[in-house]
Amino acid sequence: NAGVTQTPKFRVLKTGQSMTLLCAQDMNHEYMYWYRQDPGMGLRLIHYSVGEGTTAKGEVPDGYNVSRLKKQNFLLGLESAAPSQTSVYFCASFPGDASSYNEQFFGPGTRLTVL
Amino acid sequence: AQSVTQLDSQVPVFEEAPVELRCNYSSSVSVYLFWYVQYPNQGLQLLLKYLSGSTLVESINGFEAEFNKSQTSFHLRKPSVHISDTAEYFCAVSLESGAGSYQLTFGKGTKLSVIP
Repeated sequence: NAGVTQTPKFRVLKTGQSMTLLCAQDMNHEYMYWYRQDPGMGLRLIHYSVGEGTTAKGEVPDGYNVSRLKKQNFLLGLESAAPSQTSVYFCASFPGDASSYNEQFFGPGTRLTVL
Repeated sequence: AQSVTQLDSQVPVFEEAPVELRCNYSSSVSVYLFWYVQYPNQGLQLLLKYLSGSTLVESINGFEAEFNKSQTSFHLRKPSVHISDTAEYFCAVSLESGAGSYQLTFGKGTKLSVIP
């Protein structure tokens, strides 16, 4: 099991450019999440999905879009990148059943810099 | 809505000394509590969790945390730290059930620096 993987690991964008971050999990988990981590802010939820074909907004969704076309993949898109989106992005997944007690499994992160 | 407060943003401690990282939460309903650890340039790993039962939970690498319902706290402790414990530690809470129970709310993190 690779667990949760994220592509790419690093990326530098110019203001206004677009990009897509890919999260993949091989654990057959129902729920997937995108967080951003900024110094002194902890992790903040951007968007999440409770199953294939579903998405929902989290705490800080503005400027991002997501898609969950396949159960194992959760894509995070930036249509027009801004310097305020410079951050480390983490993907996480969760089985979705009560016996898992809400424990989430995290990917290694994507470090994004917007110039 | 639930919230998590980690009272210290940075904690320096000498090697082999004890350490306590403080975490307080607020919620009007029953919660699950977690501590995650993030080593430099890595993702988050679950360190330990409280679900129910015994209020003292332990990890495999010597950390323990005690759930205190009356004080709404879940402080993390280790009696003797190692250099390898240098990392950022995040406290998190989720509702046991109901709407939003599949979401984690994180504290802002505590950076533990172990000094040789």
